[in-house]
Amino acid sequence: ETGVTQTPRHLVMGMTNKKSLKCEQHLGHNAMYWYKQSAKKPLELMFVYNFKEQTENNSVPSRFSPECPNSSHLFLHLHTLQPEDSALYLCASSQAGLSNYGYTFGSGTRLTVV
Amino acid sequence: AQKITQTQPGMFVQEKEAVTLDCTYDTSDPSYGLFWYKQPSSGEMIFLIYQGSYDQQNATEGRYSLNFQKARKSANLVISASQLGDSAMYFCAMREASRGNQFYFGTGTSLTVIP
Repeated sequence: ETGVTQTPRHLVMGMTNKKSLKCEQHLGHNAMYWYKQSAKKPLELMFVYNFKEQTENNSVPSRFSPECPNSSHLFLHLHTLQPEDSALYLCASSQAGLSNYGYTFGSGTRLTVV
Repeated sequence: AQKITQTQPGMFVQEKEAVTLDCTYDTSDPSYGLFWYKQPSSGEMIFLIYQGSYDQQNATEGRYSLNFQKARKSANLVISASQLGDSAMYFCAMREASRGNQFYFGTGTSLTVIP
């Protein structure tokens, strides 16, 4: 148990489908993140939420839509994805504002777009 | 420019031997933190060790130690007495105080421990 739980672990979806990824943490952290991990590339930061407010959106296409209803939950809504969006999507949480504080990651959702 | 560079895409080490995974970083911020994470095939990223830019001593956590050479901007991870369970991807990461919550990750090193 990592403290950050992601569901589902695996997802296969067609390009016309709509699905959502869920992330939940009960560590008392106030910042949550979505990262995309593709083969042979550095982790790509997608979105950052501090105290439920989105503070960063790293030029992510609009087919990815984040939602943070409270400081413990984070969603990534997916629609009309492309095959190149297939990747491991990692959620993380941390204490905002502390440079010596690391992330706690979830186990990720392995997404395949067909 | 890459913030974090890991030049070893793959490494092999004999069980019970020590191995060093390289990491160099680029920042002009005087206050920053350096982290190493382990990612087994299950996908989860596991925090291993942290080194602050103002720390005078190299960080150690059990079999993990960080060889911090500030002038050379390197933060190599040393794993002593390798075990089969150490086989995984290893990522170096940096967090700059001026950039708040954003982490920069390297491309990772795949470590295989040979029995």
